[in-house]
Amino acid sequence: NAGVMQNPRHLVRRRGQEARLRCSPMKGHSHVYWYRQLPEEGLKFMVYLQKENIIDESGMPKERFSAEFPKEGPSILRIQQVVRGDSAAYFCASSPKQGHTDTQYFGPGTRLTVL
Amino acid sequence: GENVEQHPSTLSVQEGDSAVIKCTYSDSASNYFPWYKQELGKRPQLIIDIRSNVGEKKDQRIAVTLNKTAKHFSLHITETQPEDSAVYFCAAKVGGNEKLTFGTGTRLTIIP
Repeated sequence: NAGVMQNPRHLVRRRGQEARLRCSPMKGHSHVYWYRQLPEEGLKFMVYLQKENIIDESGMPKERFSAEFPKEGPSILRIQQVVRGDSAAYFCASSPKQGHTDTQYFGPGTRLTVL
Repeated sequence: GENVEQHPSTLSVQEGDSAVIKCTYSDSASNYFPWYKQELGKRPQLIIDIRSNVGEKKDQRIAVTLNKTAKHFSLHITETQPEDSAVYFCAAKVGGNEKLTFGTGTRLTIIP
């Protein structure tokens, strides 16, 4: 699971700015998931993507949040006009295309702080 | 949707003793149950998982049991060591749905 990469590891934004979080899945993995973890809480599902497709975005806030996983390059979670309540750790996970597709491996996370 | 409850929220165990963490789930269609260990400031790491077609799985000092009838599953850690101290999360996945629903976590402290 060390293969899931996320950057930046820490991100500081002022209210109203945009935050872009990037995730590169493990080699051979084509499924990407984003989760949010508030301090002292569990992980909450946000969105599930495959290459060029959003499969399930039932956990995404209706406004300001968007995600993509282009044909080339990392998956991007974008938060527009950030507010203090967006401060959290955002984790990306990936799973393989075949075999045990259930198993999700997590990246190191991006810790977003909104001032 | 799926709801996962986890108990206890904190657990202190003497080094060498066993630790047990329990989770219940609500959706009988759930068929995959992983456990993650998260150290402070680190990523969640998968430590063991079980699928609904088995009742128990063991990996060295760690075991997971699943009771589908009662809709609960448990993590058992034997011969605990200081490096087992961390927050442990259970999760469940409904068949046909890819997202994991997590419990609220158990902070396990091993007392030397």
